[in-house]
Amino acid sequence: SYELTQPPSVSVSPGQTARITCSGDALSKQYGYWFQQKTGQAPVLLIYKDSERPSGIPERFSASSSGTTVTLTISGVRAEDEADYYCQTADSSGTYWVFGGGTELTVI
Amino acid sequence: EVQLVQSGAEVKKPGESLKISCKGSGYSFSTYWIGWVRQMPGKGLEWMGIIYPGDSDTRYSPSFHGHVTFSADKSITTAYLQLSSLEASDTAIYYCARVAAGTPRYFDYWGQGTRVTFSS
Repeated sequence: SYELTQPPSVSVSPGQTARITCSGDALSKQYGYWFQQKTGQAPVLLIYKDSERPSGIPERFSASSSGTTVTLTISGVRAEDEADYYCQTADSSGTYWVFGGGTELTVI
Repeated sequence: EVQLVQSGAEVKKPGESLKISCKGSGYSFSTYWIGWVRQMPGKGLEWMGIIYPGDSDTRYSPSFHGHVTFSADKSITTAYLQLSSLEASDTAIYYCARVAAGTPRYFDYWGQGTRVTFSS
């Protein structure tokens, strides 16, 4: 199957490290991607091919992959990082894509 | 600078049809796939499918196949999402997004979204 499971919410204090997981069988064969969506805005690509960061994305955003789980790590969380985070992958053929349900990051 | 600019918000009635546009600029429009994503109110992102403007090759998500149609006019660097026989459940924001070059494919740039709502 190519469903992706994310925790609905994660809370963290400013300056701490936030980790958001995304699990799904397809991740053992396909890369994982992460998108950030702030309220009222379009999503933005944060991470591609499991752990690559596009230009312009701060170094405090990193990601890793292990088996059927990919993990987004945000180090030194700032108030501006409060957003919804979505993982995404494709089926084994790469033809059909799927998003995780999203994780709401709250900076408390 | 890569930009995807979508058409404005729509207010529709049940049974009507809808065509949303997505104009690409700042890159070779014909040679990059364009995808569409739905976001229902308060919900997550749903992948609807992708189209290759160069030859209009399409891939539809099984969840949307038969209810939506993708098209593209490379002469004006614009992709379209068409929905027919609209229902109130089609209320959503629809995003277009460019697919990065090469493989694997993934979305690297997004449009601003088009909000679709209904009036009775």
